[in-house]
Amino acid sequence: EVQLQESGPGLVKPSQSLSLTCSVTGYSITSNYWGWIRKFPGNKMEWMGYISYSGSTSYNPSLKSRISITRDTSKNQFFLQLNSVTTEDTATYYCARYSLLGGVMDAWGQGASVTVSS
Amino acid sequence: QITLTQQAESLWVSPGEKVSITCRASQSLLYTDGKHYLSWYQQRPGQTTKALIYHASIRTDGVPTRFIGSGSGTEFTLSIEDVQPEDIALYYCLQTLKKPSTFGGGTKLELK
Repeated sequence: EVQLQESGPGLVKPSQSLSLTCSVTGYSITSNYWGWIRKFPGNKMEWMGYISYSGSTSYNPSLKSRISITRDTSKNQFFLQLNSVTTEDTATYYCARYSLLGGVMDAWGQGASVTVSS
Repeated sequence: QITLTQQAESLWVSPGEKVSITCRASQSLLYTDGKHYLSWYQQRPGQTTKALIYHASIRTDGVPTRFIGSGSGTEFTLSIEDVQPEDIALYYCLQTLKKPSTFGGGTKLELK
């Protein structure tokens, strides 16, 4: 059974970078697509981007050049980096696996709460 | 980008009742392969987010048959028949037809 677990700092200062790790067990990240999603206070959800089985990436244009998703296949982990954060980036961050069935994220992590504050 | 609208922020239901959650898209979610790229998710406190329905009407593995997805084009519905206490949760629709993928605003199912 695939399991995903987010980890990283729970508090980041404005203008700094937010870095999160998604550790995957039970399935190789060299298959499927792997995404990052966040949920803001008030329950709005935002798709941030994904990294594919081959390492190609796709990002939400709303995040412009602030976002980077990378991976370490030897550790079966993928990563989110979001630069120049503001208080608006305070959210719960989720990693998820895209199903091979197409268009659906069929496995999610528990979520990591990140607060941006000085 | 495609906007998904879940009209109801909250719905109140008693156990055993049927409830429907709607999701309206700003454009058709039908792809050339004949499938709608609309999925439904359940979020319960302390649980990981669960995919319920994909391609508008196909249940994911292990999802009880009381969860029914329907709709086409721009109008979609998640129906829950014979609501159980464990169905009290937050429900989202998601479109993956066009990037960026977008979510509906969420509908919270609450007990009367």
